[in-house]
Amino acid sequence: DAGVIQSPRHEVTEMGQEVTLRCKPISGHDYLFWYRQTMMRGLELLIYFNNNVPIDDSGMPEDRFSAKMPNASFSTLKIQPSEPRDSAVYFCASAPGQAYGYTFGSGTRLTVV
Amino acid sequence: DQQVKQNSPSLSVQEGRISILNCDYTNSMFDYFLWYKKYPAEGPTFLISISSIKDKNEDGRFTVFLNKSAKHLSLHIVPSQPGDSAVYFCAARSFNQFYFGTGTSLTVIP
Repeated sequence: DAGVIQSPRHEVTEMGQEVTLRCKPISGHDYLFWYRQTMMRGLELLIYFNNNVPIDDSGMPEDRFSAKMPNASFSTLKIQPSEPRDSAVYFCASAPGQAYGYTFGSGTRLTVV
Repeated sequence: DQQVKQNSPSLSVQEGRISILNCDYTNSMFDYFLWYKKYPAEGPTFLISISSIKDKNEDGRFTVFLNKSAKHLSLHIVPSQPGDSAVYFCAARSFNQFYFGTGTSLTVIP
């Protein structure tokens, strides 16, 4: 298995633009997580899905953020409109069960200028 | 509110010596703890774990200690190697959700 695949690896965009981050989880993993890494707060959970259904989105910072999982092999995290304070590394992770350790993707480094 | 805290953002250790990374938590309901290791431009990878019913777990050069009364977790790396230089995150599980610390950047000096 190729692991959790995220794209793009780097994204630079102008303030106000829409940004879409993509994730392909490990096949057979029923849980998918979106995290954001910042210096101040470390790894913050934004949202997670179980069997493609969003379970907890309480970590999504505001309405500008949305996430979807249309099928078991694909998820997106969208920011519209983007702001400079959204600049961070965004990680996707998947797991075979919620109680297990996660496998993380390589992350997307987002820079909003 | 940060339930899992890593109060040392960075640590430098000489090659061959012991590295000790610390993690404190506030939630007494945490029942499972993990350490992740992260290299630049890569995602965190699982390193070692410990259940709350144990106080020590060892895997090669890596040992995790859990002190439940102090709500303290530590990772010992002996002997430290330059390849261990990375950011280390501790994570704790409560009600099937993991909470991560802010990470400690370890530099092992050759």
